[in-house]
Parts: sequence; structure tokens; C-alpha cells
Amino acid sequence: AQSVTQPDIHITVSEGASLELRCNYSYGATPYLFWYVQSPGQGLQLLLKYFSGDTLVQGIKGFEAEFKRSQSSFNLRKPSVHWSDAAEYFCAWTGGGADGLTFGKGTHLIIQP
Amino acid sequence: KAGVTQTPRYLIKTRGQQVTLSCSPISGHRSVSWYQQTPGQGLQFLFEYFSETQRNKGNFPGRFSGRQFSNSRSEMNVSTLELGDSALYLCASSLETSGGGIQYFGAGTRLSVL
Repeated sequence: AQSVTQPDIHITVSEGASLELRCNYSYGATPYLFWYVQSPGQGLQLLLKYFSGDTLVQGIKGFEAEFKRSQSSFNLRKPSVHWSDAAEYFCAWTGGGADGLTFGKGTHLIIQP
Repeated sequence: KAGVTQTPRYLIKTRGQQVTLSCSPISGHRSVSWYQQTPGQGLQFLFEYFSETQRNKGNFPGRFSGRQFSNSRSEMNVSTLELGDSALYLCASSLETSGGGIQYFGAGTRLSVL
């Protein structure tokens, strides 16, 4: 079955350090891929998306992600994290039909001062 | 442009009752999708409505239903509530169907079933 895996449940990073959150998908064709962020008690905010074309995509808040077909991955990166980046991050995909988004279990990001 | 609006933000119900949640999409968006978020199961797709028609439904029992009105506003109904229905219910809207489009989420309705 098609799925999204976020291997890291929790990640702790020092403020100012770089960040990489992992995401792997299982799907036969090229999916549409997304990263969302959720702050406590809030809905989901779209950080970036990949539909086709350039495999390195830029998003809001200084985030970027790279689609690697050979590794079935879509990892999220940020060169220098800020305390305000502490949140839950979700990777998601859709195959293009009306099936809604399939989400990973999320990665909880903790920022150390 | 106003974002996706969900009402109410919080609800407390008891087992056996029914509940209706409301979602107003971004102006001009015709697709509304609903998701359930729980600590154990994570985010799960409930159903999608487009032009007042249900396009698809996730793996949920028939107690979960919804509808969409001509102005694209959507409601979700859960009948005969169970304790396990306690969750954050998120609504998302997109211009066209959810497939391949960008979905914009509301802040959610937190449902507690006692």
C-alpha cells in the first residue's frame, strides 16, 4: 500500500544549527509531495510542495526540500533553525486523484537554546 | 483573502450523541476535504467534496458523513459518538480537486467525547 514514512519521531536541534527531517514515500509513480508544519493547537501550514520539474524546491520560512526519485525521499532542510521553528512537521503525498493526502506520522522538532 | 474557517473550535459531547462540524473554505475554492487527527492514528483522510458531490471517502464507518452546499461550505456529521471519536478534525480547501492541488487547512475543531 502507498505510504509515507517519517523515521524520526523526535529531533532535537540547537538554535542556529542546521536541520534535516527525513521523509520516504512508497508509490509506483511520481507523487505530489508536501511538507506541512503544525504548531500546538493549530491547523497545518504548507511549507513547500513538489509537483514536477526542479527537484530542489524552496518554501517559506527558509525551508527547502529535495526530491530524490532513486531514494524515494523528500527530505526537508533548513540551514539555521530558530526557536520559533519548534513544531510538528508532516510529510504528505497524493497520487493526483481525489484520495486526499496521505500523511506521515510526523516529526516533533525541539529547539535547544 | 480569509483562510479556511472551522466552527466551533471546541466541542464536548457524550457517548451516543451526534455532532455537526462546519467548514467555510477559502473564497473561490470548490473542494473541501476532511481529516481526523489523533495521537495514535495520526492524520487520516475522511472524505472530499467537490461541487456538492462526495468524490472519495477514507476508511471510516458510516457514522461519519458529510455534505457540501452550493456555496462550497461543508459540514461533517458524526452520529452515535464513541470515545474513540475524540480527535482534532481538520478541514482543508483547494481550488479544484485535492489531487495534485494545494490544500489549505483550517485551525480545526477539537472534539472531546466523554
